[in-house]
Amino acid sequence: DTEVTQTPKHLVMGMTNKKSLKCEQHMGHRAMYWYKQKAKKPPELMFVYSYEKLSINESVPSRFSPECPNSSLLNLHLHALQPEDSALYLCASSQGDAGFSGNTIYFGEGSWLTVV
Amino acid sequence: ELKVEQNPLFLSMQEGKNYTIYCNYSTTSDRLYWYRQDPGKSLESLFVLLSNGAVKQEGRLMASLDTKARLSTLHITAAVHDLSATYFCAVDIREYGNKLVFGAGTILRVKS
Repeated sequence: DTEVTQTPKHLVMGMTNKKSLKCEQHMGHRAMYWYKQKAKKPPELMFVYSYEKLSINESVPSRFSPECPNSSLLNLHLHALQPEDSALYLCASSQGDAGFSGNTIYFGEGSWLTVV
Repeated sequence: ELKVEQNPLFLSMQEGKNYTIYCNYSTTSDRLYWYRQDPGKSLESLFVLLSNGAVKQEGRLMASLDTKARLSTLHITAAVHDLSATYFCAVDIREYGNKLVFGAGTILRVKS
């Protein structure tokens, strides 16, 4: 089973709302990622967690707050977003330490976020 | 700054024809990934290329990596309509580990 599950699939939120995106994998992967993809653009890395610790933050604004409660779960907490934050948010995972590369990185189906 | 350049950005081809998508990158890396994305969908892993000279094939797609030239190719043989999608290459930056930097993507349309 090479599945990364994301919820919700679609989310519409106002600029004053607080919401969360959730990601789950049961492949025993120890590295998990959040990517952001705007329409007709490639994905861009936001955060990397390795063994439940944040290892990379690509200078993401603080209105995005990641959390890794355990090795299978990854959340992205959203607060005071702007309309330009509307995008597809992709969670991904890979086997082993994020410091070791070359493992296949599996992406979830994504969460479509619209900020109004 | 790492640059990953794909060309062409848009490719319209007839069924049965062959074509190649190119991916050039500007830094030393020996790990390159190819993904497929259908409209409104997520990314599907196609190939992981881990060393100079690596070649992998799956069905009508074949990917190769030349780390000295900093070039990867995705070759399409006898295209069929089902191959229509956007194809991304992505380079892994070693010093960060599993940080993928994606090319702009190639939109492939196979016409019947």
